[in-house]
Amino acid sequence: EVQLVQSGAEVKKPGESLKISCKGSGYSFTSYWIGWVRQMPGKGLEWMGIIYPGDSDTRYSPSFQGQVTISADKSISTAYLQWSSLKASDTAMYYCARLEGGSGSYYGDYWGQGTLVTVSS
Amino acid sequence: AIRMTQSPSSFSASTGDRVTITCRASQGISSYLAWYQQKPGKAPKLLIYAASTLQSGVPSRFSGSGSGTDFTLTISCLQSEDFATYYCQQYYSYPVTFGPGTKVDIK
Repeated sequence: EVQLVQSGAEVKKPGESLKISCKGSGYSFTSYWIGWVRQMPGKGLEWMGIIYPGDSDTRYSPSFQGQVTISADKSISTAYLQWSSLKASDTAMYYCARLEGGSGSYYGDYWGQGTLVTVSS
Repeated sequence: AIRMTQSPSSFSASTGDRVTITCRASQGISSYLAWYQQKPGKAPKLLIYAASTLQSGVPSRFSGSGSGTDFTLTISCLQSEDFATYYCQQYYSYPVTFGPGTKVDIK
């Protein structure tokens, strides 16, 4: 069974750093792209970027380029999303998804349960 | 970027109703369209890809159609578990983009 399990909810202060994780199981982790999606409170879905764990090829959506870093450790089948300096506007639910398709054309067929990130002073 | 719109943005329906949601792309995307269902506090769930292909395990009351710029998601007989928000997503070109969502609630 394909599963993506994300790390738990986080409460941080503005300016702090954060790294959240997404662990895949039940499939070949290095053979599928993983994507990250942001959902701000009461709002819709936005793709942030994607990574291919097999070679760590990473692509960012234009709105998120330079704002976050996506990485992966294929030895433990885990992808990461990190911030170096959080802002209140980063408060959102973040989902990872296994992607069908290629680097520029993809959709999510399996999703993690989400990680709620709250940034507040 | 390709802009996706959905209509209506929300509506009320009753169990047993036939429901249709429309998604429109700002330019042609062939059949590179997916539909997702999201319930409150839950992750999105893939329903349909390639505009009309049902994801494994999704009930057959869900169907998708369309190509080019205009697409529809139809639920043939609405069940209680179908009250949710539905999103379309184009994956024809980078960056891939979602529609704003259509919320279906109980009349």
